[in-house]
Amino acid sequence: QQQVKQSPQSLIVQKGGISIINCAYENTAFDYFPWYQQFPGKGPALLIAIRPDVSEKKEGRFTISFNKSAKQFSLHIMDSQPGDSATYFCAATLNAGGTSYGKLTFGQGTILTVHP
Amino acid sequence: SAVISQKPSRDICQRGTSLTIQCQVDSQVTMMFWYRQQPGQSLTLIATANQGSEATYESGFVIDKFPISRPNLTFSTLTVSNMSPEDSSIYLCSVARAVEAFFGQGTRLTVV
Repeated sequence: QQQVKQSPQSLIVQKGGISIINCAYENTAFDYFPWYQQFPGKGPALLIAIRPDVSEKKEGRFTISFNKSAKQFSLHIMDSQPGDSATYFCAATLNAGGTSYGKLTFGQGTILTVHP
Repeated sequence: SAVISQKPSRDICQRGTSLTIQCQVDSQVTMMFWYRQQPGQSLTLIATANQGSEATYESGFVIDKFPISRPNLTFSTLTVSNMSPEDSSIYLCSVARAVEAFFGQGTRLTVV
């Protein structure tokens, strides 16, 4: 019930290409879906996030597409750059028991490599 | 935003020993969260630490193995007790502000 499934496990893209990472969730109580970017030796950092009442959100080169009926969401990175090479995690959460969206259920992660 | 400092950043420990990880936040927060990231894996929530009460542990994690202290609104510690090589992981402290969760840089623990 609490799982978030993420694919692919790894992704290699050429500079300027589009990177697409997909996630699926089971718990319909989740109401906030962030994506995190993690560089080696660093903690995850919020990249972009979406609520289920919105089908798409765009911030610069990063876009989240959300399909509530399918319980799926995806991250699209346009014009991928070598500096985007990192591990990306999707996550899902809800504000329950005063935890203020701090309890995150993470996907398995995608290692993105962008070749110059 | 939130600035989270963790100590130590890394350590190599002998099996059977314990390590205490410290987490300091730059301003007061009600709840702090501890996550584990096993090598090449995702992040899994260990427990939620609320100041003034016992921590709440997720399924698969117990207080005897991962005791947590929360003495004030800016500080928490996580102890990894009686360590085995399977405890080799990155341990991360996290806080939430509004809808955003912030993470420390993590403590990379290797148990030999």
